[in-house]
Amino acid sequence: NAGVMQNPRHLVRRRGQEARLRCSPMKGHSHVYWYRQLPEEGLKFMVYLQKENIIDESGMPKERFSAEFPKEGPSILRIQQVVRGDSAAYFCASSLYRDSLQETQYFGPGTRLLVL
Amino acid sequence: GQQLNQSPQSMFIQEGEDVSMNCTSSSIFNTWLWYKQDPGEGPVLLIALYKAGELTSNGRLTAQFGITRKDSFLNISASIPSDVGIYFCAGQPQGGSEKLVFGKGTKLTVNP
Repeated sequence: NAGVMQNPRHLVRRRGQEARLRCSPMKGHSHVYWYRQLPEEGLKFMVYLQKENIIDESGMPKERFSAEFPKEGPSILRIQQVVRGDSAAYFCASSLYRDSLQETQYFGPGTRLLVL
Repeated sequence: GQQLNQSPQSMFIQEGEDVSMNCTSSSIFNTWLWYKQDPGEGPVLLIALYKAGELTSNGRLTAQFGITRKDSFLNISASIPSDVGIYFCAGQPQGGSEKLVFGKGTKLTVNP
């Protein structure tokens, strides 16, 4: 079984450009989470999505950041007009719901964003 | 917001030694998880704990979910060089959504 897949693994953008990060969850998983990790830090929650729904976006910056998980295709984390402070590793995780209970989150390899 | 205090920040040990690290919080967590992260990779789940007092082993790893639901520890016995990496505790806070709150990590170095 393929795990959580993220691409690109590395992304370089100049200030003001847009960054699009993609995440394909594990097969059968319908819940996706995005986290951000700064150097020497733990992961910080950003957003939790189910297919076509944003469930919890309490960790998302109010401006420039958006996320979607369409009915078909991967989840996308979009950062508009990137600034140097957006440089970080962005991780996606997915989980399964079984019998109304969420199961463990499994993480992808991450996208390392560098803003020049 | 909820925070996890993870200690120690870093450990330098000799191969064969046992290791212990822990996480504490001022608020209650419903689930405790321990992950390991290698450089350039995502966190890999080591152990998941779902019930207060639960003690779970995975090979040389043992973790416990504290009775108060505010702490957890991870022990690694007879360390080997491939145990090198950063270990994170993570928890799902009570009353929160399914998001995970992470500690800042324990960086483990094993000298052969």
